[in-house]
Amino acid sequence: IAGITQAPTSQILAAGRRMTLRCTQDMRHNAMYWYRQDLGLGLRLIHYSNTAGTTGKGEVPDGYSVSRANTDDFPLTLASAVPSQTSVYFCASSDSVTTIVREQFFGPGTRLTVL
Amino acid sequence: AQTVTQSQPEMSVQEAETVTLSCTYDTSESDYYLFWYKQPPSRQMILVIRQEAYKQQNATENRFSVNFQKAAKSFSLKISDSQLGDAAMYFCAYTLTGNQFYFGTGTSLTVIP
Repeated sequence: IAGITQAPTSQILAAGRRMTLRCTQDMRHNAMYWYRQDLGLGLRLIHYSNTAGTTGKGEVPDGYSVSRANTDDFPLTLASAVPSQTSVYFCASSDSVTTIVREQFFGPGTRLTVL
Repeated sequence: AQTVTQSQPEMSVQEAETVTLSCTYDTSESDYYLFWYKQPPSRQMILVIRQEAYKQQNATENRFSVNFQKAAKSFSLKISDSQLGDAAMYFCAYTLTGNQFYFGTGTSLTVIP
């Protein structure tokens, strides 16, 4: 593995179903993020994690949950999917610390369609 | 929430020419970080350039440079000698601490051969 991987690449899901998007990084970055990308809206932060064991809410957290049990993995769960959650989801990581902000590295994205 | 505005949804440039993409942002902070990311049709987000607000000198990376106007809260990207491979969606981003990044809505750049 080199960088960030996401799975699945794409998924069609029935409304009301539970879905977990997986994200794994091998760069030992402390911080990880989940974004959704919608046409005309750019990327919007859903949740983030500064370090294993901690998480925080971004701009659009409703309907999503995350966990950070270890450094490498940061899964995003939709407990009961709705059509408005149809989007492309990007996972990202960064080795930013309090005093040094570094760029984010992005995964290839997951295209999710909720019908 | 912070806002980042990219007022040009679409831009085009002739190959080998220069193009400038605009970005403005809203903040009351003095120390922050700004980035330009490129997203080609492959969907992969790629860092183009970054700027620390405390640095007066504009960042440069090969054919890419920025015009950072702190007082005006403006952060434009200049692409010189445009190449076909520069065709992509470009996103401007702001962060204060690295916890939350705020992205603009993007500018789609077309390069005309």
